[in-house]
Amino acid sequence: DIQMTQSPSTLSASVGDRVTITCRASQNINTWLAWYQQKPGKAPKFLIYDASSLESGVPSRFSGSGSGTEFTLTISSLQPEDSAIYYCQQYKSDYTFGQGTKLEIK
Amino acid sequence: QVQLVQSGAEVKKPGASVKVSCKASGYTFSSHYMHWVRQAPGQGPEWMGMINPNGGSTNYAQKFQGRVTMTRDTSTNTVYMELSSLRSEDTAVYYCARLAATAIRVLDYWGQGTLVTVSS
Repeated sequence: DIQMTQSPSTLSASVGDRVTITCRASQNINTWLAWYQQKPGKAPKFLIYDASSLESGVPSRFSGSGSGTEFTLTISSLQPEDSAIYYCQQYKSDYTFGQGTKLEIK
Repeated sequence: QVQLVQSGAEVKKPGASVKVSCKASGYTFSSHYMHWVRQAPGQGPEWMGMINPNGGSTNYAQKFQGRVTMTRDTSTNTVYMELSSLRSEDTAVYYCARLAATAIRVLDYWGQGTLVTVSS
């Protein structure tokens, strides 16, 4: 099984900050990676696929990069509505999610 | 618009089974695989498996092999997930989620979730 590890587990930042979340895969997954955002009591919402392709309608301040085993999700200018838990997910072999990064606004 | 509407919350005793439904609308039902993902309290999502509504073939996560059954009813555009031999660790919110496309293997639309509580 492919394991996904995110860091940090919790992140606190101010409005306007640039924020980066890291996701590491236990083996090479090429660019078969997605990022999701989840707000309390809601289902996850997908933001990015194939490591760097932005889903239609997702604000351009979100971006993804990486390949192989190391990936990042970057929010270029943090907004209050970005407070959420972010998950990475690999889909090279079945599907595995990371444990999540909780992003809080200071 | 695409909608996935799931059945309501369930409370079950250990050893029992639960069957959750997910009714799809707003798109061609047979054109998109449907997945099931669960999320225990305070945990990340966990993939359980998927069903191809066109033909009914399934692929289950190894962890759930022998305990989970996914089926579909094309006359009502509904998929079902049945989990048997329930234990307390199965307490979670269960989601159905649509696969975007075979070339874009992400889950683009999700149901609202069904809370399953396993308690004696």
